[in-house]
Amino acid sequence: DVKVTQSSRYLVKRTGEKVFLECVQDMDHENMFWYRQDPGLGLRLIYFSYDVKMKEKGDIPEGYSVSREKKERFSLILESASTNQTSMYLCASFSVAYEQYFGPGTRLTVT
Amino acid sequence: GENVEQHPSTLSVQEGDSAVIKCTYSDSASNYFPWYKQELGKRPQLIIDIRSNVGEKKDQRIAVTLNKTAKHFSLHITETQPEDSAVYFCAASGTGNQFYFGTGTSLTVIP
Repeated sequence: DVKVTQSSRYLVKRTGEKVFLECVQDMDHENMFWYRQDPGLGLRLIYFSYDVKMKEKGDIPEGYSVSREKKERFSLILESASTNQTSMYLCASFSVAYEQYFGPGTRLTVT
Repeated sequence: GENVEQHPSTLSVQEGDSAVIKCTYSDSASNYFPWYKQELGKRPQLIIDIRSNVGEKKDQRIAVTLNKTAKHFSLHITETQPEDSAVYFCAASGTGNQFYFGTGTSLTVIP
């Protein structure tokens, strides 16, 4: 059974702080994704990675960066957190059969 | 890029009735269409999917239909039960391995 875990379920940070959200999958998937989920907007893709050290911008990459040093770990970085980055962040891992498996989500509040 | 639209945004049905959620997509190259169910406070879970070489797929009370010519696909839930209450997301994926999500449908099944 695929397992995708995220480092925190709830996080509260101050404006201007650097924030790290980590995601780990245990199925040796090459593709990993970071989404943010906001009411009425669905899931929007921030960044994705199709291999170690490879990354591609999604639809809303501004204010975010990512790191993929190991295949199982994909990190989302908020360089200087702002209040409009308060959201639910979901990581996902993608199998060769195209099926996406989501992590439990991190609810980030920036004050 | 791909654009996925989902309707309705909210849906209330009586227990035992059927529920239908519809999505349209814009990119004719999309070839994989999953549906996710997200219960309150939980991660999205894949419930059914369909590929472009198939017109319909059924799994117990859940079915998905795909019309490639019209570029739309639908989720059908029959004999709804209170535990079907959740937010449902459609998605489309094709070239580039990106997933594009609809904005979600909040389904309430009234006992």
